Amino acid sequence: QKEVEQDPGPLSVPEGAIVSLNCTYSNSAFQYFMWYRQYSRKGPELLMYTYSSGNKEDGRFTAQVDKSSKYISLFIRDSQPSDSATYLCAMSPLTGTASKLTFGTGTRLQVTL
Amino acid sequence: DTGVSQNPRHKITKRGQNVTFRCDPISEHNRLYWYRQTLGQGPEFLTYFQNEAQLEKSRLLSDRFSAERPKGSFSTLEIQRTEQGDSAMYLCASSSISNRGLIYEQYFGPGTRLTVT
Repeated sequence: QKEVEQDPGPLSVPEGAIVSLNCTYSNSAFQYFMWYRQYSRKGPELLMYTYSSGNKEDGRFTAQVDKSSKYISLFIRDSQPSDSATYLCAMSPLTGTASKLTFGTGTRLQVTL
Repeated sequence: DTGVSQNPRHKITKRGQNVTFRCDPISEHNRLYWYRQTLGQGPEFLTYFQNEAQLEKSRLLSDRFSAERPKGSFSTLEIQRTEQGDSAMYLCASSSISNRGLIYEQYFGPGTRLTVT
């Protein structure tokens, strides 16, 4: 079993829809959670990060962490065609020596006109 | 500052040849990471440096792989005797670390896409 599970999709939604992307994890040591966006043949781009349970909002994006359920989500409001990309969740223990990131497989999102 | 840069962006090589990739991190970042990403998968950790010291290597990093960061600035990743299974995107990331050991978020470069024929 992988430490981080993420539905690979693809997920297709119409423009303006609310998108929900999710990851589950099994390692209780993970304390630091990130979402990256990756366009085809490009490097991952950091969207959001959070250390704690609860919600964090940034523009059209909301990151949600539930440590008790080992479940994290990214919501995208008013989705746009330019949001079409692969979304990767990533996490790590919050320590100075173990900062390598463990990624999910990524969910491919297609926002259609 | 233009972010993390990687060169070359693409490399095609024949099986058995050696290849070397370069990563230039964001200038004030003292941590540098290498990841490998294959099609349809998320990036997988290979190794990381704090300044010039290589602090951790993944089991994915076989003896054919070697990474260096000689002056604590840019880094190189060399693959000797390449195999077709080495075909992947090699990603470099950098981050800073506070005096109290708090790791800040990692910023990725565009990657080097390696194709071994």
